[in-house]
Amino acid sequence: ETGVTQTPRHLVMGMTNKKSLKCEQHLGHNAMYWYKQSAKKPLELMFVYSLEERVENNSVPSRFSPECPNSSHLFLHLHTLQPEDSALYLCASSQDRSGVYYGYTFGSGTRLTVV
Amino acid sequence: SQKIEQNSEALNIQEGKTATLTCNYTNYSPAYLQWYRQDPGRGPVFLLLIRENEKEKRKERLKVTFDTTLKQSLFHITASQPADSATYLCALGDMRFGAGTRLTVKP
Repeated sequence: ETGVTQTPRHLVMGMTNKKSLKCEQHLGHNAMYWYKQSAKKPLELMFVYSLEERVENNSVPSRFSPECPNSSHLFLHLHTLQPEDSALYLCASSQDRSGVYYGYTFGSGTRLTVV
Repeated sequence: SQKIEQNSEALNIQEGKTATLTCNYTNYSPAYLQWYRQDPGRGPVFLLLIRENEKEKRKERLKVTFDTTLKQSLFHITASQPADSATYLCALGDMRFGAGTRLTVKP
């Protein structure tokens, strides 16, 4: 375990479902991130939270809705997804937003399949 | 637009040789660059960070160089082992990643 825990590890959902991905870190980090990783494509940064405030939203469709209730937890709420949203969703955290000292710590990801 | 390119999608080398992976970028001036390792079904794991004023950084069998004139970073694994087989990702200062190079070290 890296210190960043993501649940569930696998998720299959229909296009009309609503589900949530959960991320938890107890590393004392102040910044948390959601990334999307599709096959043969670079990781795409979706959202950035710093000190529980959303500081970046990279043109992500509204069917993805993040929530950061405290510095240790991050959620990604999903609704009315499309098949092309199927991917590995990774959560990461860092000591501060730059991650310049120790890099970023990633969870193992949630493999999402939209049917 | 900003672009990050890792030299090849896959690299195969023989055990004991040095693996060299390349990360090139355009339209960007990062203050630092990071390298990560990713195994199948897992998240990336941080390996090394190099700042723009550093030419080279080493950690055990790993060496990273950073040439801001060429806009390029090289990542070397010396005395490679089959356990080094993985995908290696570079990331620029604002956490934009390259697509990665899948390294396979054959015994």
